[in-house]
Amino acid sequence: DSGVTQTPKHLITATGQRVTLRCSPRSGDLSVYWYQQSLDQGLQFLIQYYNGEERAKGNILERFSAQQFPDLHSELNLSSLELGDSALYFCASSGWGNEKLFFGSGTQLSVL
Amino acid sequence: GESVGLHLPTLSVQEGDNSIINCAYSNSASDYFIWYKQESGKGPQFIIDIRSNMDKRQGQRVTVLLNKTVKHLSLQIAATQPGDSAVYFCAATTSGTYKYIFGTGTRLKVLA
Repeated sequence: DSGVTQTPKHLITATGQRVTLRCSPRSGDLSVYWYQQSLDQGLQFLIQYYNGEERAKGNILERFSAQQFPDLHSELNLSSLELGDSALYFCASSGWGNEKLFFGSGTQLSVL
Repeated sequence: GESVGLHLPTLSVQEGDNSIINCAYSNSASDYFIWYKQESGKGPQFIIDIRSNMDKRQGQRVTVLLNKTVKHLSLQIAATQPGDSAVYFCAATTSGTYKYIFGTGTRLKVLA
């Protein structure tokens, strides 16, 4: 168990809908990262937050947004969903940076 | 930017043999490197890490080698077991950036 909690584990929805993925980092970790992983592909970096502030952006679509709350949990919002958004979404956390990332078990999103 | 692999290369090894998985990084400023193991449907799991002031680090049945001159690192798994079957990713980061660049991943198949 990495200590990073992601909910829900599975999400099935329809095109055009909006969903929210939730992540609780390891106790004491200030950084939260979101990654997308499509079938048989590597990890695509979406966005990173540090202590409530956005620190880095990757290939995140405009239809996607995220935030980190004062209690350090983070939410990834995906809207106007398309079939191609079906993927595993991972959250990871770290402390000060330049440390190992700890990954959650992911949310499997299926857009039908 | 982040590296995303479209097709994962595969390494097949016989049970009991040693495995070597390679990874190249592009940023010469990278100073911390991590290897992750990802089993099907699960989040990446930390295996071993190494900082740029070291050339080699050993763990339990795993060794990471770092060659900064050619920007290459490798993961060696001794006496490969069926439970080692997974996708292996390397990640590189630079102090102060909070940005982790992931390799494309290699699928390790252990043959009985």
